[in-house]
Amino acid sequence: ILNVEQSPQSLHVQEGDSTNFTCSFPSSNFYALHWYRWETAKSPEALFVMTLNGDEKKKGRISATLNTKEGYSYLYIKGSQPEDSATYLCADSGGAGSYQLTFGKGTKLSVIP
Amino acid sequence: DAGVTQSPTHLIKTRGQQVTLRCSPKSGHDTVSWYQQALGQGPQFIFQYYEEEERQRGNFPDRFSGHQFPNYSSELNVNALLLGDSALYLCASSLAGFSSELYGYTFGSGTRLTVV
Repeated sequence: ILNVEQSPQSLHVQEGDSTNFTCSFPSSNFYALHWYRWETAKSPEALFVMTLNGDEKKKGRISATLNTKEGYSYLYIKGSQPEDSATYLCADSGGAGSYQLTFGKGTKLSVIP
Repeated sequence: DAGVTQSPTHLIKTRGQQVTLRCSPKSGHDTVSWYQQALGQGPQFIFQYYEEEERQRGNFPDRFSGHQFPNYSSELNVNALLLGDSALYLCASSLAGFSSELYGYTFGSGTRLTVV
């Protein structure tokens, strides 16, 4: 994998459902993987920065896992709420010494009340 | 606590013109990065400024230039605008050292540039 790829592009879930989406990134020269949550007309908000293989982070109902050897991260949302509706972006920070984030195109989540 | 502020929020320019976008970083931050998000794409890195110098640059032509001031605020300048420069321009700030690796970057809500 040469680029950062996210799937699915979009999904609609019912309120209360749990959901997950995937971020794939180049596994070579890995340094850090960022997740951002971006509500329409607002600023992207940092959710997690993950650096270690096997890392798992949690923030309320949202959690993320990281597999650096195979180059993927999963974001999970438990019991989705309408306020979770947003675009979720992941970004590879490149190797050590790089200041550039390489973003995927995002997964747009819509939670239906 | 004011986050990252960007101005203007929207603007319309004519092809061939020049534009300047402005960014004030979050209080306490000293590093500013600029990203371009075209329709249907993820944000793409333009460059990062630290200590008033361009520290790293993405794959953008020289028409894109920037500046950082002693108060850490920053400008993005785009010359000879093309229709393809129409996009959302995001500014992100951080504290040099480790903060972005631990906490991520703080983004503004962007400037929507339309070139006609």
